[in-house]
Amino acid sequence: AQKITQTQPGMFVQEKEAVTLDCTYDTSDPSYGLFWYKQPSSGEMIFLIYQGSYDQQNATEGRYSLNFQKARKSANLVISASQLGDSAMYFCAMREARGNQFYFGTGTSLTVIP
Amino acid sequence: SQTIHQWPATLVQPVGSPLSLECTVEGTSNPNLYWYRQAAGRGLQLLFYSIGIDQISSEVPQNLSASRPQDRQFILSSKKLLLSDSGFYLCAWNIGRGGRSYNSPLHFGNGTRLTVT
Repeated sequence: AQKITQTQPGMFVQEKEAVTLDCTYDTSDPSYGLFWYKQPSSGEMIFLIYQGSYDQQNATEGRYSLNFQKARKSANLVISASQLGDSAMYFCAMREARGNQFYFGTGTSLTVIP
Repeated sequence: SQTIHQWPATLVQPVGSPLSLECTVEGTSNPNLYWYRQAAGRGLQLLFYSIGIDQISSEVPQNLSASRPQDRQFILSSKKLLLSDSGFYLCAWNIGRGGRSYNSPLHFGNGTRLTVT
C-alpha cells in the first residue's frame, strides 16, 4: 500500500482565493511526522509546514495551514490568499519514528490564475 | 545556521562515463543524509540514505553507489552511466541520532540536473 497518496495531479485556483491540496497517509506507527514541500519550476524543494502525530492543534505557517484529521489519516494543505508565486508542485511526505525514510507522494501541480 | 551545498548544478555526460555528485552540509553534526532522484514531472525516488559514516542504506538496486567519507559529506557515484540515469538529483539532510528526529524536516540542496547522452 502507498504510504502517501495525493489524488490531485493538478489544481487551479484564482489569485487571492484559498485552495486545499489533499494528502492521505498510511502507517501503523503511532509516532510520525507529516511534511509539505513546495517545488517551483527551478527545482529546489522548499519545506513549508510540519505536523506531528501527537500535535493537538493544526499547524500554521503564515498563509499555509495543515488540516490534520488523524482518525481519517489525512493531512491536507490549505493555502490562503493564493499568489501567482504559489504556482508550483506540492509534495506531501511522512516520516515514521521507527525508521529513517521519508515517504513522498506523487505531488500536486498548482496553478494560480491571475 | 545550517546550509547544504550540492554540485554541480547541471551535468551532461555520455553513456558509459563515470559520475560523481557531491553534497556537503555545514552548521550541524551527525546529520542524516539522503540522495533522491526525480524523473521529469515525477515524484521523488529515494536512492540512498545514511545515518552515519559507513552506514549507508541502498533503496533501489542499480548502477549507482554512495559514500560518506566525512560526517557531513555525501557522494553519489557511478562507474558507468546509463541513459536511464538521467534526472534531477537532490541531496538532503535532517537531524539524526535519535531523539524526536522524526519531526525534523528534510532540507534539500538545489539539485543537479543530469543528462546522459
